[in-house]
Amino acid sequence: GAGVSQSPSNKVTEKGKDVELRCDPISGHTALYWYRQSLGQGLEFLIYFQGNSAPDKSGLPSDRFSAERTGGSVSTLTIQRTQQEDSAVYLCASSLVGRVDGYTFGSGTRLTVV
Amino acid sequence: RKEVEQDPGPFNVPEGATVAFNCTYSNSASQSFFWYRQDCRKEPKLLMSVYSSGNEDGRFTAQLNRASQYISLLIRDSKLSDSATYLCVVRTVTGGGNKLTFGTGTQLKVEL
Repeated sequence: GAGVSQSPSNKVTEKGKDVELRCDPISGHTALYWYRQSLGQGLEFLIYFQGNSAPDKSGLPSDRFSAERTGGSVSTLTIQRTQQEDSAVYLCASSLVGRVDGYTFGSGTRLTVV
Repeated sequence: RKEVEQDPGPFNVPEGATVAFNCTYSNSASQSFFWYRQDCRKEPKLLMSVYSSGNEDGRFTAQLNRASQYISLLIRDSKLSDSATYLCVVRTVTGGGNKLTFGTGTQLKVEL
């Protein structure tokens, strides 16, 4: 596609429920990243996929968080048993591997856990 | 110590003023540097890359000092539309590939 597409744009869920957030990167971009941004805070790295390599999961805050990327394209970030502190904007970005310029971000999913 | 540190501001400046933002990074192995702009409730967007020789794009000038691990952004003749949060971003190469680390941003408010 023309840009990075994320869905849903907004999600309100009850504490304890599981949620899935979707990211569709720019066609041909082999690198995909998930970040989250809490209100008034900077971007916190979560996970990074590059081609067929094992993902860098070093930023996932707990084992309630997982992500997968199927067919080297679409990625899903899953949060199990959501907590109120999970409320944030979850941003996905993609890039061409080997390019020295930055990422292109999607418009994010605003998650609110009530 | 944070990997990328910025003064959060806000910087309140009148239209037409020149304003400068600074950023320091802790990882001397960092390879590439960028400034992103983030408008309220929007995603970050690449403003410009920062090169060792310094670079300019219209009213914006970015500089890098590798020895001091310091990056700057200068905005001349500021416009109301420049009001945003400016994120300093550093790229490092990890075992898995590239990773961008973002500063928490410096908020700029340009006023009439």
